[in-house]
Amino acid sequence: RKEVEQDPGPFNVPEGATVAFNCTYSNSASQSFFWYRQDCRKEPKLLMSVYSSGNEDGRFTAQLNRASQYISLLIRDSKLSDSATYLCVVNRRDYKLSFGAGTTVTVRA
Amino acid sequence: NAGVTQTPKFRVLKTGQSMTLLCAQDMNHEYMYWYRQDPGMGLRLIHYSVGEGTTAKGEVPDGYNVSRLKKQNFLLGLESAAPSQTSVYFCASGTASMNTEAFFGQGTRLTVV
Repeated sequence: RKEVEQDPGPFNVPEGATVAFNCTYSNSASQSFFWYRQDCRKEPKLLMSVYSSGNEDGRFTAQLNRASQYISLLIRDSKLSDSATYLCVVNRRDYKLSFGAGTTVTVRA
Repeated sequence: NAGVTQTPKFRVLKTGQSMTLLCAQDMNHEYMYWYRQDPGMGLRLIHYSVGEGTTAKGEVPDGYNVSRLKKQNFLLGLESAAPSQTSVYFCASGTASMNTEAFFGQGTRLTVV
């Protein structure tokens, strides 16, 4: 079983729509959690960290459920520029980052 | 700030050739990582380093070697390239805190023919 699993999508949504997707992680000792964004043929870049209480950054909301070991990302009022692959990232106690394979989102006009 | 810089950005190798990928960071980060990214596989950790002079194996270390002689540099070597090593390689660096982000280089696209 992969350490971090994501729905690969693709999620194809119209501008202005809300899109949400999850990832699950297998290591209960995982300490910190992130969503990264990766544009085509580019390096991953941090979108937001994910905190136990849930957190928002503009149109983006991240949730963490430690009991069920999943993380979610919700994008409201989607923009064309939100089209990307979103990577779920888990930081274990041993400081190694584990990446999901990514969820592809395409926002259409 | 340059951040994390990888060289080269593109390379084509013949099977059996060797090469070294260089990663340099100017953020004084303790931790450095080498990942490979293949379609549908996500990023997989090859080797990592928690400080100057130290290296450790990740989940896919076979066929690669690394060195961290200086804190700012992390080298990835392929001694005898194989077609299975065709991939996009990313270097990343981060602080010792587990709650901060990792910064990535722009990637190296390697093709082994």
